[in-house]
Amino acid sequence: QQPVQSPQAVILREGEDAVINCSSSKALYSVHWYRQKHGEAPVFLMILLKGGEQKGHEKISASFNEKKQQSSLYLTASQLSYSGTYFCGTEIGGGADGLTFGKGTHLIIQP
Amino acid sequence: DTEVTQTPKHLVMGMTNKKSLKCEQHMGHRAMYWYKQKAKKPPELMFVYSYEKLSINESVPSRFSPECPNSSLLNLHLHALQPEDSALYLCASSRHATGSTDTQYFGPGTRLTVL
Repeated sequence: QQPVQSPQAVILREGEDAVINCSSSKALYSVHWYRQKHGEAPVFLMILLKGGEQKGHEKISASFNEKKQQSSLYLTASQLSYSGTYFCGTEIGGGADGLTFGKGTHLIIQP
Repeated sequence: DTEVTQTPKHLVMGMTNKKSLKCEQHMGHRAMYWYKQKAKKPPELMFVYSYEKLSINESVPSRFSPECPNSSLLNLHLHALQPEDSALYLCASSRHATGSTDTQYFGPGTRLTVL
């Protein structure tokens, strides 16, 4: 079942923060976050496994609340290069099952 | 090196043509995937190969035929496609850790147009 992402779109000024949410009605094994720029392939950002861990990558971090089956991606002090569409991909079971992606969040960063 | 390569970059074909898409990785990954992505939509899983065996087929029409000749190579054979099959076809690979999960690395995709 497709995870639900919110918001659908965000417009920020450079330096502002953003939060993107991804929720599922099913128990998740993992959540994968990707950023895709127009005409390019999705680029991996991070994986979160069940267990409620939080991960960070420069000014981008994420959390996974296992009780709520919800993951959030935090973009701090956004840069122009952060523009693009953010997708969360979810797995129900471990192993190579493939990902089910949410509809995406379109992020525009303005100077 | 986390590179997945795909050829061709662009493909235009008629509804009666037969063509193939190619995907290659040299990271030693044993899981490979085909996804289809329509404009302004998320990628949708089509097929999964685990250790060169087809493990998941997401009810994809038979006009799409995957093949995994060896652990580094994944093909998608196309025959009698419809205009609505026009999309970006993405290949991905991962290490395949049983009972765990690994990063899926995506190739740049093949943009397919069916006339």
